Amino acid sequence: EPEVTQTPSHQVTQMGQEVILRCVPISNHLYFYWYRQILGQKVEFLVSFYNNEISEKSEIFDDQFSVERPDGSNFTLKIRSTKLEDSAMYFCASQIRTGINTEAFFGQGTRLTVV
Amino acid sequence: GQNIDQPTEMTATEGAIVQINCTYQTSGFNGLFWYQQHAGEAPTFLSYNVLDGLEEKGRFSSFLSRSKGYSYLLLKELQMKDSASYLCAVRILTGGGNKLTFGTGTQLKVEL
Repeated sequence: EPEVTQTPSHQVTQMGQEVILRCVPISNHLYFYWYRQILGQKVEFLVSFYNNEISEKSEIFDDQFSVERPDGSNFTLKIRSTKLEDSAMYFCASQIRTGINTEAFFGQGTRLTVV
Repeated sequence: GQNIDQPTEMTATEGAIVQINCTYQTSGFNGLFWYQQHAGEAPTFLSYNVLDGLEEKGRFSSFLSRSKGYSYLLLKELQMKDSASYLCAVRILTGGGNKLTFGTGTQLKVEL
């Protein structure tokens, strides 16, 4: 069964460093998302991406964040200068299209720890 | 703004039935999803409602009343492996996609 894959599964980084989280969405999907979940809190929307551009972003997704689809398969989230409060589980999701009867499929997540 | 409420915790007995409620106040409603999340893992899709009524999928059923802003997830014949967090999420119709707004999740503990 096709699945969304994310790498790495865990990432520890020092405050102020740049990190890139990688995702390979399901191959025929067209809509891509990043969500994050701080430990013990709810899953929060960060950004949606379609047709090689950001379609929506949340207040969390400030200038320190960027997304890219550098080739036909990868979808990346970059945090330019990490802060302690960026420590969270980051989930990538993809969706074949929008509309009824279409759900988003989530990857297994990358646990980011900023020290 | 968007507001989604669900109980924080519930406990039920193996073999029993449990109902997890979710109420929401949102604009641009485009469907309600239930996801299951085991600790440290990704949310996995359980069910989806966009029209009023009951959707049944094996041991899981989900109900939606759009006029009341209310949904529930019904789990039958509970198994120990059903111990997990159950996330209610509303899909918001936006210009460029359908983002999900999640509730805080209901931690279900299934006991013998």
